[in-house]
Amino acid sequence: DAGVTQSPTHLIKTRGQQVTLRCSPKSGHDTVSWYQQALGQGPQFIFQYYEEEERQRGNFPDRFSGHQFPNYSSELNVNALLLGDSALYLCASSPGRGLRYGYTFGSGTRLTVV
Amino acid sequence: GESVGLHLPTLSVQEGDNSIINCAYSNSASDYFIWYKQESGKGPQFIIDIRSNMDKRQGQRVTVLLNKTVKHLSLQIAATQPGDSAVYFCAENRMDSSYKLIFGSGTRLLVRP
Repeated sequence: DAGVTQSPTHLIKTRGQQVTLRCSPKSGHDTVSWYQQALGQGPQFIFQYYEEEERQRGNFPDRFSGHQFPNYSSELNVNALLLGDSALYLCASSPGRGLRYGYTFGSGTRLTVV
Repeated sequence: GESVGLHLPTLSVQEGDNSIINCAYSNSASDYFIWYKQESGKGPQFIIDIRSNMDKRQGQRVTVLLNKTVKHLSLQIAATQPGDSAVYFCAENRMDSSYKLIFGSGTRLLVRP
């Protein structure tokens, strides 16, 4: 049973560019959440997608956007990259009935902005 | 404000000893808590959870204690092993904001052989 799959594992972008990160949820999960984890800190909630719509959003600017596809996979897009966007981006999947019924993280995408 | 914090940034223990990692939370509305383990280059891995109607919950070699009076929870690891070396996070969830977890900054556990 595959867990949460994220791609790519690492990438380097230049300030001002745009980036797209991808996530495939665990089998049986239909909800995808994205987190940003800066070095030495705990993950910070960006947003959650359910039924192809953003269900809740954390304190992140509009440069951060997302999408969920009919197969429940999801993308995180970040526009106009800043040096401060360098972080580990984590995807977590859960059943639609709530994260208390299972919440699984992927290994993340390490984004470096130079 | 929203915060889940940890008292000790780094904890060093001898292999075979018991480890205790502490966490304070700030919002009394939080009613569900999770401990995660994160190894280098990996995502957070679920260890154990506890709901606010419980004071204690045990798993395999791990115990979580919740003290709602002082808004504090702890993770106890029995007979700590080298494979337990990692960063540990507590996270809280609230019914009025049930779709997200709020994480603390983490404690690094180092196990000395």
